[in-house]
Amino acid sequence: SYELTQPPSVSVSPGQTASITCSGDKLGDKYACWYQQKPGQSPVLVIYQDTKRPSGIPERFSGSNSGNTATLTISGTQAMDEANYYCQAWDSSVWVFGGGTKLTVL
Amino acid sequence: QVTLKESGPVLVKPTETLTLTCTVSGFSLSNARMGVSWIRQPPGKALEWLAHIFSNDEKSYSTSLKSRLTISKDTSKSQVVLTMTNMDPVDTATYYCARTPGTTGDLDYWGQGTLVTVSS
Repeated sequence: SYELTQPPSVSVSPGQTASITCSGDKLGDKYACWYQQKPGQSPVLVIYQDTKRPSGIPERFSGSNSGNTATLTISGTQAMDEANYYCQAWDSSVWVFGGGTKLTVL
Repeated sequence: QVTLKESGPVLVKPTETLTLTCTVSGFSLSNARMGVSWIRQPPGKALEWLAHIFSNDEKSYSTSLKSRLTISKDTSKSQVVLTMTNMDPVDTATYYCARTPGTTGDLDYWGQGTLVTVSS
């Protein structure tokens, strides 16, 4: 079965750029999306179709996907961006999530 | 305004069957390309996709849980139902339903989730 791998944790200083990776076999051939989940809340879609931002998501969130790796980039990271982030791909009508990355802003 | 809301028991006993209902509003389950997935999240752990139903009533299931899951929908009631048989304490989790608006697999709206505890 298809698998997506994320680093368990990433740390960033306020105002700096955070990058969270998601690896999977030929992931670049599929669409990747990203969700933000804060404690006690439901996941929120922040990037879809590799690079697109839903309405209401700040411009500091961006995405890319090529080869075996998709990347979520948060520019000018703010304290409010501290959360768990999950990548997800869709492969042959099966949805797959990565294991999640805890982003700490310190 | 698109909303999804999960409902069902908060506590089930081991070996029992869990039935969860997702009631949607703001869109129709019969709209082309609209689909609904169920996802769960054990306490402190990652998201796990369970099942999906497409607008044409086609279904897709997690390979590891396929034998225990059934997903269905009642378009007239705007509801999607998930049943999971033979519940075990490891199935304790928050269960979410979420919408896919098209054919690229992204889940754009999520319900608030419902915590199901499996215990005798």
